[in-house]
Amino acid sequence: ETGVTQTPRHLVMGMTNKKSLKCEQHLGHNAMYWYKQSAKKPLELMFVYNFKEQTENNSVPSRFSPECPNSSHLFLHLHTLQPEDSALYLCASSRNRGWEAFFGQGTRLTVV
Amino acid sequence: AQSVTQLDSQVPVFEEAPVELRCNYSSSVSVYLFWYVQYPNQGLQLLLKYLSGSTLVKGINGFEAEFNKSQTSFHLRKPSVHISDTAEYFCAVVQGGSEKLVFGKGTKLTVNP
Repeated sequence: ETGVTQTPRHLVMGMTNKKSLKCEQHLGHNAMYWYKQSAKKPLELMFVYNFKEQTENNSVPSRFSPECPNSSHLFLHLHTLQPEDSALYLCASSRNRGWEAFFGQGTRLTVV
Repeated sequence: AQSVTQLDSQVPVFEEAPVELRCNYSSSVSVYLFWYVQYPNQGLQLLLKYLSGSTLVKGINGFEAEFNKSQTSFHLRKPSVHISDTAEYFCAVVQGGSEKLVFGKGTKLTVNP
């Protein structure tokens, strides 16, 4: 248990659906991240939030929409996804930007 | 931009054998270095980290790594592996002053009986 909790663990959605991934941390960290992990590709940093403000959007398509209502919660809203968006989505947090990251167990997303 | 190279995508070894997983990074300026482990269907767990000080870093589960600034390497070692060490291992680096944690592509370690 790392202190970072992601829900749901598994999600299957159609290309016209709208769904949200949730991440929660109670470590007192100030920075939160979304990563995408696809087969045979390095971990891709998607978004960075620091003190609830988005500080990085790594050229992520607009069909992925992050939300950070407070330092403990991070959401990733999904709509009109493509099959190639199927991947493991990992949330992480760190005390500050650039410090060691603590990861959640991930959400395995399948787009059909 | 900082980059991390893990030369071996897969490493098979027998139980109780020693193992070394290689990691090289691109920048020679101030860096922080990390090794993470990922078990199937799990997130990443920190094994060990180098921030400063002694170049030999000890982590959990009997793993250790050595920071070599001249060779820009941070190889992970374990003198005797167990079946339970079968997992994917990721090297990561943060360049001092940057907020980005950059990961290598990972090395799948398979420990056979």
